[in-house]
Amino acid sequence: SQQGEEDPQALSIQEGENATMNCSYKTSINNLQWYRQNSGRGLVHLILIRSNEREKHSGRLRVTLDTSKKSSSLLITASRAADTASYFCAKAEGANSKLTFGKGITLSVRP
Amino acid sequence: EAGVVQSPRYKIIEKKQPVAFWCNPISGHNTLYWYRQNLGQGPELLIRYENEEAVDDSQLPKDRFSAERLKGVDSTLKIQPAELGDSAVYLCASRHRDTDTQYFGPGTRLTVL
Repeated sequence: SQQGEEDPQALSIQEGENATMNCSYKTSINNLQWYRQNSGRGLVHLILIRSNEREKHSGRLRVTLDTSKKSSSLLITASRAADTASYFCAKAEGANSKLTFGKGITLSVRP
Repeated sequence: EAGVVQSPRYKIIEKKQPVAFWCNPISGHNTLYWYRQNLGQGPELLIRYENEEAVDDSQLPKDRFSAERLKGVDSTLKIQPAELGDSAVYLCASRHRDTDTQYFGPGTRLTVL
């Protein structure tokens, strides 16, 4: 089963705008990771946030984690057409940090 | 540094035929994963290897799927016989013991006719 539920399912924005994507989960996690997947390609790791962290930044990416609400958000600032892709959140849980992926969010950035 | 290599990239077969996928992980990565990704879904774990040992194969349909990782490096995933519902992208990923980050290959897109 997939427990990393993302919201919205699809997002279309204009280049230069910010994109916010949300992920909710149901059980305790070790960390939460966001991945990007371009059409027909493999997944690329974007950022990891541990359960004891609340916010992390990487370039134009900002991820937050609220363990009380069991939710995370990924913000992409100043979006570019090249950011067009599917974005997945993955929960790492258990002793071996097994990843469980959500269904993904389709982001379209219009030039 | 070379990434995770998978072959073939695409495979079209008729149902009941066998098929095999190959993965070469990043050098030094002791953990190897096989995932299946159905259209419009996220990847789902099939099997995880720690070196040459399969330590989590609970999601692998063992009646028709098999995998091996001889010598703890390359891995193959086999389906025999393939069914229509096996059409999907099969992803391989690897991870170094000192990190939680998994690195994915480009995947093999399987179409069963």
